[in-house]
This record gives sequence, C-alpha cells and structure tokens, in this order.
Amino acid sequence: GESVGLHLPTLSVQEGDNSIINCAYSNSASDYFIWYKQESGKGPQFIIDIRSNMDKRQGQRVTVLLNKTVKHLSLQIAATQPGDSAVYFCAEATINQAGTALIFGKGTTLSVSS
Amino acid sequence: NAGVTQTPKFRVLKTGQSMTLLCAQDMNHEYMYWYRQDPGMGLRLIHYSVGEGTTAKGEVPDGYNVSRLKKQNFLLGLESAAPSQTSVYFCASESPTEAFFGQGTRLTVV
Repeated sequence: GESVGLHLPTLSVQEGDNSIINCAYSNSASDYFIWYKQESGKGPQFIIDIRSNMDKRQGQRVTVLLNKTVKHLSLQIAATQPGDSAVYFCAEATINQAGTALIFGKGTTLSVSS
Repeated sequence: NAGVTQTPKFRVLKTGQSMTLLCAQDMNHEYMYWYRQDPGMGLRLIHYSVGEGTTAKGEVPDGYNVSRLKKQNFLLGLESAAPSQTSVYFCASESPTEAFFGQGTRLTVV
C-alpha cells in the first residue's frame, strides 16, 4: 500500500506569497525524500531532496523541512510565481539490497494567481 | 543531451492487443523505473531495474513485463492489454542523487 500522502490535494495562492506544501509519510526507514514538480503534459522534475539525517535543506527559493518525530515533510516556496503552478509530489526512497525504489504521494496541485 | 526518451508518446490499443513501451537513457544510470500515473493516484511503481539484466517488481506489476537487456534501455511490455491499463506511463532513470523522468506515454485501451 501507499506510505506517502499529502494533506491537501489543492493549494491556491497569490503571486508573491509564500507557499507551503505538506506531506506525511509512514516509513520511518526511508533513506531520503524528494520533491518533484510536474507541469501539465510533462514528466516530473526534481526540485530538491533531503536525507533522513537532515531536518532542513535550502535551494533556490525552495526549502524542504523534515520532521522525523511526526513523519512530516514540507516544501516551502518563497515569493511564489505563476510559473510555479504545477502538481507537486513528495516521494520517499529506501535503499536496500534490491536497489532503490521511489514511492510517490498523490500530489498537491498548486495554483498561483496574479 | 537527450536524457530520458520514451517511445511512443501516444498509443491506442484494443483489448487483448500487446505492445512494448521503450525507455532509453543516455546518462549511464544503473537504476531505471517504470511508473503509471492515474488521476488522483499519483505515480505508482510498476517495475524497476538496478542494472543490466536485472528487474524487480514494484507496487503494481500485474499485467506487465519488463526487460533490461542493455543498460541504456528499459522495456515495458503489455502482453494482453486491458482497459484498466489505460494510463500515462513514465519512465525514469536515477543517479545516486536524482531521478530524471521521460515525457510520458499516454496509453488508451479500448
């Protein structure tokens, strides 16, 4: 069964606002977590990842926070732009003898209005 | 640099027909994956491969077969297509730190 989920299927924000997209996971043995962005008609694109031994990682305009105590992952987008409108997926990765498999959550649709 | 290329991009099959989806990557990655994406379901892992000649089942493998005869290619086969296999299929290859996805194949089974 699915072990990664999101709190909200849709999120609407105004241009310039900060966006926070949340994800809950259940597998405490996951080695790292990734956020992907998927625009309409395209494949998912890597945004940022975070290893399980970290609690925060920053990229360009994005920050990922990991709270292992409550098994919660969030993606913060600063100064959200219309080009950020997309579906955002969190994924967990577990490395084992068979390799690495990515398990995705259901996705949050971010809509940015001008 | 092509990255991950999927062929075909679109296909309509009749129930019971067979077909093969091709995924090719030029990044010399060991790990490759096939996912299907359905509305409200996110991406679900069908099969994956950790290297040439090896494959493993994912979350939803039934009705599909895969082969990894060459490192750069990962093939997904449907032996007898069913309407439940109507979906968008994504292939991905992975470096140690990042997965790269193809543009997807939209398959309709009627």
